[in-house]
Amino acid sequence: GDSVTQMEGPVTLSEEAFLTINCTYTATGYPSLFWYVQYPGEGLQLLLKATKADDKGSNKGFEATYRKETTSFHLEKGSVQVSDSAVYFCALRGVANDYKLSFGAGTTVTVRA
Amino acid sequence: NAGVTQTPKFQVLKTGQSMTLQCAQDMNHNSMYWYRQDPGMGLRLIYYSASEGTTDKGEVPNGYNVSRLNKREFSLRLESAAPSQTSVYFCASTLGHQSSYNEQFFGPGTRLTVL
Repeated sequence: GDSVTQMEGPVTLSEEAFLTINCTYTATGYPSLFWYVQYPGEGLQLLLKATKADDKGSNKGFEATYRKETTSFHLEKGSVQVSDSAVYFCALRGVANDYKLSFGAGTTVTVRA
Repeated sequence: NAGVTQTPKFQVLKTGQSMTLQCAQDMNHNSMYWYRQDPGMGLRLIYYSASEGTTDKGEVPNGYNVSRLNKREFSLRLESAAPSQTSVYFCASTLGHQSSYNEQFFGPGTRLTVL
């Protein structure tokens, strides 16, 4: 079945550092890929998405490129801020018409001032 | 629009007690989902309803039941709570239509503790 493997955390960074969170997936066909963010005490929010190979999703300075050849969707940000401290989830939606998501385990990111 | 709402926000139960978690969405979405979130395990799908009138098991359905009351509401019931069901529960919804890319929208969560 579909699955997502995500870099384990926690990750602690200084402000303005470069952030990368690795995500790889297993799925049949051409799934859609997502990054969700969860701020403390809140639900999940969609951060960015990519629906086909070589698509680049971007939002709030974050980027991720859908790489079919390496089955990856790594999240990057060039200069993090304290406000980026959150849990980040990589997710996959397969090709079935039930629109279900499969999530990675989540990566906790803490940015220090 | 309120989006996806969940009640209650917090709940403490004793082993063997029952309770229902409520979820409602006002976005006219067809598909709704219940997840649980546990440390180090991400979100795991408990049950889902691809459209009004249908429900299906997800990855971890044991110990739970659901009701899709109408298009707006999707409830999750624990008939006899167990400590292993201590978790944070999230409801989500999506348009559920082939013409849309179908982003899932999440509620704020219910933090449940079973003693």
